[in-house]
Amino acid sequence: AQSVTQLDSHVSVSEGTPVLLRCNYSSSYSPSLFWYVQHPNKGLQLLLKYTSAATLVKGINGFEAEFKKSETSFHLTKPSAHMSDAAEYFCVVSFLRTGANNLFFGTGTRLTVIP
Amino acid sequence: IAGITQAPTSQILAAGRRMTLRCTQDMRHNAMYWYRQDLGLGLRLIHYSNTAGTTGKGEVPDGYSVSRANTDDFPLTLASAVPSQTSVYFCASRTNQRNTEAFFGQGTRLTVV
Repeated sequence: AQSVTQLDSHVSVSEGTPVLLRCNYSSSYSPSLFWYVQHPNKGLQLLLKYTSAATLVKGINGFEAEFKKSETSFHLTKPSAHMSDAAEYFCVVSFLRTGANNLFFGTGTRLTVIP
Repeated sequence: IAGITQAPTSQILAAGRRMTLRCTQDMRHNAMYWYRQDLGLGLRLIHYSNTAGTTGKGEVPDGYSVSRANTDDFPLTLASAVPSQTSVYFCASRTNQRNTEAFFGQGTRLTVV
């Protein structure tokens, strides 16, 4: 079975400190992995994606994520949090089989940034 | 500006009424989706369409129907709204290749009273 788990529903960091948002997936197939960000009352915006090229992926706004097949993880990191990073973050997985019903969402992690 | 548009942005609806949420994209994407977002549950797939003329059921299809008469439009209909359908609804589109990301509309906030 395919699934994606975001290990923390809420993460709180101080401004200027590192951010770590965790994501693990379960799949019988080769995955493509995405991180989306959702600011309050907004739609979802793509932060970055992994598509079987480099395992370390750089995205927008200084975020990056590393695909670790042995750990089935795709954790999102940022060296220094800004106030504008406060938002909901979703890890999304797509699997080898094509078709429109193969996007799986995590339940989201709410990031709070403390001044 | 290319993208995906949803209407209305918000709606208060009496229980039992019929409602259609509209979604239009101009990116010529084959696949389109409807999700609902509820606190603590993330986004759950309601219905999807691989290409014009075809639709499929997602994780939570009951009480909803969709149609895909052309590539651009993918309306979601609630035949008889119930309070449990109070949610934020997102439409999305993407190509049918697994490596491509989905593009999302800004959402429709629906309250059924």
